[in-house]
Amino acid sequence: QITLKESGPTLMKPTQTLTLTCTFSGFSLSTSRVGVGWIRQPPGKALEWLTVIYWDDDKHYSPSLKSRLTVTKDTSKNQVVLTVTNMDPVDTGTYYCAHRQPNYQDSFDIWGQGTMVTVSS
Amino acid sequence: SYELTQPPSVSVSPGQTARITCSGDALPKQYGYWYQQKPGQAPVLVIYKDSERPSGIPERFSGSSSGTTVTLTISGVQAEDEADYYCQSADSSGTYVFGTGTKVTVL
Repeated sequence: QITLKESGPTLMKPTQTLTLTCTFSGFSLSTSRVGVGWIRQPPGKALEWLTVIYWDDDKHYSPSLKSRLTVTKDTSKNQVVLTVTNMDPVDTGTYYCAHRQPNYQDSFDIWGQGTMVTVSS
Repeated sequence: SYELTQPPSVSVSPGQTARITCSGDALPKQYGYWYQQKPGQAPVLVIYKDSERPSGIPERFSGSSSGTTVTLTISGVQAEDEADYYCQSADSSGTYVFGTGTKVTVL
């Protein structure tokens, strides 16, 4: 059974750097074609894809946020870490990590519960 | 950047059919995917690769693709299907994108 869980700070001040950790079980990020993505959702708004990291350490970022995002993986710990620099109130929202299922092509079949991050001075 | 456009809302009576469209220029070359999200919950994948259904998803959920549009169809809508629905795709550079979202209301 695949599970993912996000963890990190719930309250940030503007200009700070956010670091979120996705801890997962039930799969290995060293298995071919497997990936983990990050998606966020401002309150009452649509989902927004941020980044994905693959088993071979290939990474892709949202073009609009690329300069502020970094994603890394620690296969031995079954963790993926997302950093977002220069946080702003518009970055407030729920941040999800999700499993990219190779057999389902470019989709996310299992999601974490999400973690709410509020940016306020 | 690549965009996917959905109608903001769809209303349907119980037992009827709901159709949600998603339009994007890259869809003729890329697969479409659909997620259901209920209030306070994480999204759930209901359709992958345009028309495939993950295990555990009811048969009343189906998907199709034609040109620049993918469509999610919910046949015999039930009250529990009231939710927000998002399409998603990816482009050839490996960038993912979600649609604008559609709120389905069961009357």
